[in-house]
This record gives sequence, C-alpha cells and structure tokens, in this order.
Amino acid sequence: GEDVEQSLFLSVREGDSSVINCTYTDSSSTYLYWYKQEPGAGLQLLTYIFSNMDMKQDQRLTVLLNKKDKHLSLRIADTQTGDSAIYFCAECVSGNTPLVFGKGTRLSVIA
Amino acid sequence: GAVVSQHPSRVICKSGTSVKIECRSLDFQATTMFWYRQFPKQSLMLMATSNEGSKATYEQGVEKDKFLINHASLTLSTLTVTSAHPEDSSFYICSAPKQGERAFFGQGTRLTVV
Repeated sequence: GEDVEQSLFLSVREGDSSVINCTYTDSSSTYLYWYKQEPGAGLQLLTYIFSNMDMKQDQRLTVLLNKKDKHLSLRIADTQTGDSAIYFCAECVSGNTPLVFGKGTRLSVIA
Repeated sequence: GAVVSQHPSRVICKSGTSVKIECRSLDFQATTMFWYRQFPKQSLMLMATSNEGSKATYEQGVEKDKFLINHASLTLSTLTVTSAHPEDSSFYICSAPKQGERAFFGQGTRLTVV
C-alpha cells in the first residue's frame, strides 16, 4: 500500500538552513504537500508541488522532487525560532483521493 | 482561494454524550470529503470518506456505528461521535478536494472527552 516516510527529528541552529526529507512509495502520486503544525494547532499548508515539477521555490522555502527516487525535500533557508514545529509530508494520487501523511518531522530551532 | 470551514474548533464533552462536527466548503461544491483523526504525537490517519448522497466508506478499524457521517448537501459533511469515551479524545480534521485543484483542509476540531 501507500507509505510515506520521514525522519522524526531535526535540530538546527537559528540562521542555518533546514532540510527535511521524505520518501513515498506510490509512483502515481500527483500532488505532494508539505504541512506545518504548531503545538495544539491545525494544519498549515506550506507548499505543494505537482509531480511533473522538479523544484518549487517560495520565499524561504524550496521544495525538490526526485520522482525517479520518489524523494521529496523541503529546505527552509535562514531558519528562525518561529519555524519550530512538526512538518508533515503528504501525497495523493489525484485531487479526489485522500492524502497519505508521513509521521511528521519535529524541527527544533536552537537560538 | 477555496475555503473549508470546520466547526467547532474545540469541544469538551462528558463521557457517554455525542458530539457533532461540521465541515463546510464555502465557495465550491464537494461531492467527496475526507475525515482524518490525529492522536497526540501521531500523524493524521484517514477515518472515512464522505460521499454526497450515499453512504460513507470507512477505513479498517473505524466503527461506522460510532462515527456517523452525513453528507446531505454538496457543501456540508458532518461527523458525529456517538457515546464518546476518553479514548475518542483526538484532533479531527476534514478535507474537501476541489475539482481540478488540490485538497483544502478545515481548521480541525480538538475533542476532549472527560
């Protein structure tokens, strides 16, 4: 079945770049998402990428997609303490199918 | 952009009572909506798929008689947690796919059963 894997923890110093990695198994995935969740809060969509793209950049965020290896990464430039949160990678086959989420990566930013 | 509104955002209820959570697509019609559940320190797991005008389909291990889903219109799906118990305390979140676009999520409902 579908599976999405991510490392559970990442710790970086303020001002450094953070790279959160994700692998997925469904080669027919069409949309790949990155969500941010702060303690006690809902999901905040950070960015998403279509499977026919290799890269997407949005201000401090860069998403890289290697479709051959089924690998997705999220790079946060100049990481700030406010970026501390859990980041979920998710994929879906089409707009009408549910998302499959990874377990989330807890990003800790050290001042 | 498309908005999905979920209500209430937080609810505390007594054990044995029922709680209804609403999920509305505000500016588009959604024949399908998805309900997810997130236990503390865990990821989001799909509970069920809500289909307008027909029965919901439930994931393995989710009791359909306990989690009643009604999708009576193209913009509203409701999830009712019946006879809630402390182990049902969780974060419930809905999503609605918009035709030709990505999925849009509600704000989520944090249910605490005491």
